[in-house]
Amino acid sequence: GQNIDQPTEMTATEGAIVQINCTYQTSGFNGLFWYQQHAGEAPTFLSYNVLDGLEEKGRFSSFLSRSKGYSYLLLKELQMKDSASYLCASMDSNYQLIWGAGTKLIIKP
Amino acid sequence: NAGVTQTPKFRILKIGQSMTLQCTQDMNHNYMYWYRQDPGMGLKLIYYSVGAGITDKGEVPNGYNVSRSTTEDFPLRLELAAPSQTSVYFCASTTMEPETQYFGPGTRLLVL
Repeated sequence: GQNIDQPTEMTATEGAIVQINCTYQTSGFNGLFWYQQHAGEAPTFLSYNVLDGLEEKGRFSSFLSRSKGYSYLLLKELQMKDSASYLCASMDSNYQLIWGAGTKLIIKP
Repeated sequence: NAGVTQTPKFRILKIGQSMTLQCTQDMNHNYMYWYRQDPGMGLKLIYYSVGAGITDKGEVPNGYNVSRSTTEDFPLRLELAAPSQTSVYFCASTTMEPETQYFGPGTRLLVL
């Protein structure tokens, strides 16, 4: 079956670094997406990885290991506005996104 | 550009009623999607379309219907509302796969 696993909730301190892990198991693989979703709002795109390695984009970085079925999202210099849910999604062989349940990130001052 | 717009924002339905959730995008995207998001769960794909006149079922299509008569519009129809259809519904679009999907603001539906 197809499955995406990510922690339900994480807490971090303003100014710190946090890593949100995601493991995936899908029928085929056409890339791994990370989206941010603030409470009551729509998901917005953060990153896309299709090759192994680290992609850096400002304070956010995303890593992929296809052999391990593993990805992480790294958030640096955390700000209060980063409090949100972070959704991991794997694109399967049919180009359909299989979504994790999301990781709720709580930032404390 | 307005991006992806959805109406209504919130609706309460009685069991057995029907309604149409509207979705419109002004980005000339060929691909459009309907998802539902239940609390504590990942988004589930209901239906998708790769262009005008072409639609296909996603993971959870039962109880829903769609049509795609134009590139811009992709309405989702609920014929006989059931409490299990209480959810937040998101419409999304993209130029092609595997590009970024752009989401509308969502429709919150409560079936009582």
